[in-house]
Amino acid sequence: DAKTTQPPSMDCAEGRAANLPCNHSTISGNEYVYWYRQIHSQGPQYIIHGLKNNETNEMASLIITEDRKSSTLILPHATLRDTAVYYCIDFNQGGKLIFGQGTELSVKP
Amino acid sequence: NAGVTQTPKFQVLKTGQSMTLQCAQDMNHEYMSWYRQDPGMGLRLIHYSVGAGITDQGEVPNGYNVSRSTTEDFPLRLLSAAPSQTSVYFCASRSRDLGRKTEAFFGQGTRLTVV
Repeated sequence: DAKTTQPPSMDCAEGRAANLPCNHSTISGNEYVYWYRQIHSQGPQYIIHGLKNNETNEMASLIITEDRKSSTLILPHATLRDTAVYYCIDFNQGGKLIFGQGTELSVKP
Repeated sequence: NAGVTQTPKFQVLKTGQSMTLQCAQDMNHEYMSWYRQDPGMGLRLIHYSVGAGITDQGEVPNGYNVSRSTTEDFPLRLLSAAPSQTSVYFCASRSRDLGRKTEAFFGQGTRLTVV
């Protein structure tokens, strides 16, 4: 079973930052925080991952709390094309990738 | 690179028929997985493989068989299709590299309807 908890849905205005939260109440020391998104029933797409430190790439930023019990994915300037379901996953890189229900993000004009 | 290729894209089966969903990747990835996604739901892991000749069950393995004879291919077999297996099926692959390149790559899905 998925171990993370996410809000089922969120709205964001186009051009504003989208901040998607995730709770990792049972994350273990060797598990990374991974984020994927799924646009309109296409195959999921990798966004970003991290272990302890905050991470940034061309798509997004990832903030992980010091106790690693929660994380936030930040899309700095959301566009309509960012409308998707976003999944956060606790992942041991040698193990299985298990998805939860995700957050459905709607970016509105 | 084609990435992860799934065939067919669409399929309609009658109850009791069998078929094989094909998945191929050209990235020399060790790990491959099959997921199903029912309407309005997240992805559920069916079977996965950590290398040629090695497979294991995921969350919902019943009614499906897999084998991994080559690194590139990971077919999913439905032995006797049931309406409950109507779903979208995704195949994924990823590297075993424990560095930064461990993200999974997904195919575009096979939409299966069992009538």
